[in-house]
Parts: sequence; structure tokens; C-alpha cells
Amino acid sequence: LAKTTQPISMDSYEGQEVNITCSHNNIATNDYITWYQQFPSQGPRFIIQGYKTKVTNEVASLFIPADRKSSTLSLPRVSLSDTAVYYCLVGDFTGTASKLTFGTGTRLQVTL
Amino acid sequence: GAVVSQHPSWVICKSGTSVKIECRSLDFQATTMFWYRQFPKQSLMLMATSNEGSKATYEQGVEKDKFLINHASLTLSTLTVTSAHPEDSSFYICSASQLNDGYTFGSGTRLTVV
Repeated sequence: LAKTTQPISMDSYEGQEVNITCSHNNIATNDYITWYQQFPSQGPRFIIQGYKTKVTNEVASLFIPADRKSSTLSLPRVSLSDTAVYYCLVGDFTGTASKLTFGTGTRLQVTL
Repeated sequence: GAVVSQHPSWVICKSGTSVKIECRSLDFQATTMFWYRQFPKQSLMLMATSNEGSKATYEQGVEKDKFLINHASLTLSTLTVTSAHPEDSSFYICSASQLNDGYTFGSGTRLTVV
């Protein structure tokens, strides 16, 4: 699986837009980019997945440039409850037996 | 979406005893499940892949005789921590995937060995 690099931590104020960038220089042709959110003492929760360009759902947007060597998770107008660790994963997730390799993740702290 | 149930959510056991953690896929069948371990302030580390009807495959450095995995049905995988010691205290998380629905994680089990 392609290795990912993301900032260890980020701080934001409530109401701001937060952009977390992930580098994955060795991404393969069949790889997708998936982001998970994890709160303390809970399992990771799926946020969004994309292959190229832009994907948007009710909670976030995912921007992927043409070369796919990086991606940016965008959280609009964060609230205190968005304080969590965000993980970027890259791999072929089309099957049901793909090993997910977690990097360090980005610890987002949202304050008033 | 797919739901993965994990039980218990927390357990405290004495050193030297064994503890079993269950992971169930609700409303879908999972031929493959995964077990992760997470220490405080660290990322998730894959321990093993649980395969229904066959032996689990373990990641390098994970003792298969200490972390027994049984995947006897398409909806249940169990992880047994045998002869637990304080250094086994951790957060254990399972995951499974329903085809075309991504990977879902259980809520995790906090194991404390005293």
C-alpha cells in the first residue's frame, strides 16, 4: 500500500474551514483515497473516499489533483465535535480483503 | 450502511488470565475480518486477518499463540488474548467490509490487564 504523510496536528477555531492535506507519492493506478475520523476510545468512522478530482458528501469534500500524489480533506465550518484524529488511507479498497494501513493521522483540535 | 458490533467495550482482567473479544458483522456476511491494536496516542496497527473457515494470517511480530483468532461463521470473529500481561493492555478494534460499501470498524474494546 502507498505510504501516506500528513501533518501530526492542526488547530482551528469553531466555524472555520479546515483543510488537511495528505501526501501519497507512490499511489498506484488502482488505489483509492479514503479518509477516516476517529474519536477517543472509538473505532474509526468512514468520512469520504475518492479516486480523482473532487468528491463531496454531507460532511466533507475531498480534492484530488490530476497527478493524485496528494489529496486534501476539507471540513467546512468545523465545530467542537469535529475534534478528532483524521486518517488518510490509500489502497485498492474495491474488495473485502484489503489490509488497511493507518499512518500517523492528523490530530485536529477545534476550540471556541 | 454496514454495521460491525464489538463486545465487550471494555474489560479488566488479572494477569495470566485469558480474555475473549467478539466481532460481529450485522446484516452482512464477512469472509474476512481484521483485528487492530491501538496504544494511547498512537495509530492503529494491524494485528491479523481473520479468514472464515481457515487459519488467520498474522502480521510480522504478532504472536499467533498469544492472540488466538477464530472465525467460525460468516458473521463472527473472536480474538482471545491468552495469558494476558499488563503490556497487552490496549485498545483492540476489528473491522469488516461489505462489498462495495467500504470498511467498517467496530467500536473497540479497551483491555486493561492488572
